[in-house]
Amino acid sequence: DAGITQSPRHKVTETGTPVTLRCHQTENHRYMYWYRQDPGHGLRLIHYSYGVKDTDKGEVSDGYSVSRSKTEDFLLTLESATSSQTSVYFCAISEPSWEKLFFGSGTQLSVL
Amino acid sequence: DAKTTQPTSMDCAEGRAANLPCNHSTISGNEYVYWYRQIHSQGPQYIIHGLKNNETNEMASLIITEDRKSSTLILPHATLRDTAVYYCIVRAPSSNTGKLIFGQGTTLQVKP
Repeated sequence: DAGITQSPRHKVTETGTPVTLRCHQTENHRYMYWYRQDPGHGLRLIHYSYGVKDTDKGEVSDGYSVSRSKTEDFLLTLESATSSQTSVYFCAISEPSWEKLFFGSGTQLSVL
Repeated sequence: DAKTTQPTSMDCAEGRAANLPCNHSTISGNEYVYWYRQIHSQGPQYIIHGLKNNETNEMASLIITEDRKSSTLILPHATLRDTAVYYCIVRAPSSNTGKLIFGQGTTLQVKP
């Protein structure tokens, strides 16, 4: 996980509250991604970013928004958390050639 | 992206070679074979990838059959720290940026 820091590592919140997860990289990679991992579903892409202020939706983007104001930071926001968003969230980075993704250590989010 | 088939689980003795197979009979000519692994509670880690030639790096070797319909990941001297879920993924580098379909993978248990 060198060069990728996710914060917080663990969070418990209540339904209806806003939550922001942060991904910080020191690799100066252009592409950043947010995934969620759930039993039986594997890793699913939420949102990704091609560069500063350049983002796009993944396959499970409903209920999530992202922002990227700096190359090194990619924020994932749950505007109003729901229990179905209880999951492990992973940030990943890559170069445009997309030969390989590097993942962070993950954030365990519980929405009660 | 082509679908892959992997055994659900495998055991390997510590210090011996671990050979993890992957079938991808519908692979297209421009699709690469990627291997990632996920150690419990950590983010996925890139291992190796290849198109048609065998590849080797500091972590593993990748053997791709001549018809490219299957491949084998080889960990030459497995250690207890290699216990993880190993994912075989087939995709073209330029397709659906970031949309990795991990599937269920193979759980490798390295035993003393």
